[in-house]
Amino acid sequence: EVQLVEAGGGLVQPGGSLRLSCAASGFTFSSYAMSWIRQAPGKGLEWVSFISGRGDSTYYADPVKGRFTISRDNSKNTLYLQMSSLRAEDTAVYYCARGPTYCSSTSCYNFDNWGQGTLVTVSS
Amino acid sequence: QTVVTQEPSFSVSPGGTVTLTCGLSSGSVSSGYYPSWYQQTPGQAPRTLIYNTNSRSSGVPDRFSGSILGNKAALTITGAQADDASTYYCVLYMGSGISVFGGGTKLTVL
Repeated sequence: EVQLVEAGGGLVQPGGSLRLSCAASGFTFSSYAMSWIRQAPGKGLEWVSFISGRGDSTYYADPVKGRFTISRDNSKNTLYLQMSSLRAEDTAVYYCARGPTYCSSTSCYNFDNWGQGTLVTVSS
Repeated sequence: QTVVTQEPSFSVSPGGTVTLTCGLSSGSVSSGYYPSWYQQTPGQAPRTLIYNTNSRSSGVPDRFSGSILGNKAALTITGAQADDASTYYCVLYMGSGISVFGGGTKLTVL
């Protein structure tokens, strides 16, 4: 069974930093691209960042470009999101999700598994 | 900037049929955007319903179906049930790992 478990959320002051992690199990982690997606309180879902299976390709949404860094440790089956220069508008539940990956019998450029999320609150 | 559009809200009667749509602020949605649909209830993580326009994810009832209708992607729920009351999100894949979410449609079943 695929499991994704986020950790690292919490309260941080504006301008501060935080590192989120996502522990993956139940699949060959290095074979899958991974993404971070966030949801501000009472708002919709927003794609944040993508990393390829080998970690050699990364992409970011414009609001976080230059402030967030996605990375992964395939030896530890763990995905990370390093967040710096945090702003109030970064307050959200952050989800890690598997995908988007190449088309197969069970997925095709979509997010096929999601973690339960971790809450990040940026406030003084 | 790419904007994916969805109806903010929709209502359906129990047992009824509803079609939610997913468009682009400029241009048409085609299968080349690999449209996918997600269901989310308050306090829960999203659940994948449909991928690649019309493929149902494992365990998803066949009352959920996806398609392209005109210039939009569509999610149709046939025989709506009370527990289908949720917010539904459409996602379009733009390539190079970039995905864009629609704003979500809050569905009421009453």
